[in-house]
Amino acid sequence: EAQVTQNPRYLITVTGKKLTVTCSQNMNHEYMSWYRQDPGLGLRQIYYSMNVEVTDKGDVPEGYKVSRKEKRNFPLILESPSPNQTSLYFCASSLSPNNEQFFGPGTRLTVL
Amino acid sequence: AQSVTQLGSHVSVSEGALVLLRCNYSSSVPPYLFWYVQYPNQGLQLLLKYTSAATLVKGINGFEAEFKKSETSFHLTKPSAHMSDAAEYFCAVRAAGNKLTFGGGTRVLVKP
Repeated sequence: EAQVTQNPRYLITVTGKKLTVTCSQNMNHEYMSWYRQDPGLGLRQIYYSMNVEVTDKGDVPEGYKVSRKEKRNFPLILESPSPNQTSLYFCASSLSPNNEQFFGPGTRLTVL
Repeated sequence: AQSVTQLGSHVSVSEGALVLLRCNYSSSVPPYLFWYVQYPNQGLQLLLKYTSAATLVKGINGFEAEFKKSETSFHLTKPSAHMSDAAEYFCAVRAAGNKLTFGGGTRVLVKP
């Protein structure tokens, strides 16, 4: 089954404790993105990747890191999480930014 | 910079009535435009997309959207609302560069 998977689905952590949210797709897509969803603000793109070893900032990259060492994986790293990063996070993939984005199920992160 | 504005964070319609969700965008180049739907506790799914082939775009579940360049709009409509249309809807644009920008979302409530 074609899908985007994210782990964990739920995470509660404390300020400053490094964490990684994994994302994997099995559709051989070139383009992958991370978004955060906050009430009233819609989805905001954090980082995106056009291909392996090619990543770029979205609209809200501060406090986040990503890597794309393999085509299928695109982990999101929070080196020192803060409470303002409490949000619902979605990973997505597509053939290109012009094509349909396939979204993962979401990761709900709470930073205390 | 590109941006997307969705007028109305909440819309309430009666079952069988017209659904109209408004989306205006700003872009310095011809855009790719998308509408996505998010059902409760799920990721986003593509409803339809505009790619310059035709100004009236038909999507899934009876939705359609019309691209109006002069008004920089891409409003979403459905002639007759169904209870299953209750969800949150997001307009998105890909213009210059490889970023995707989403609007703030419109939550649709369908009254019996």
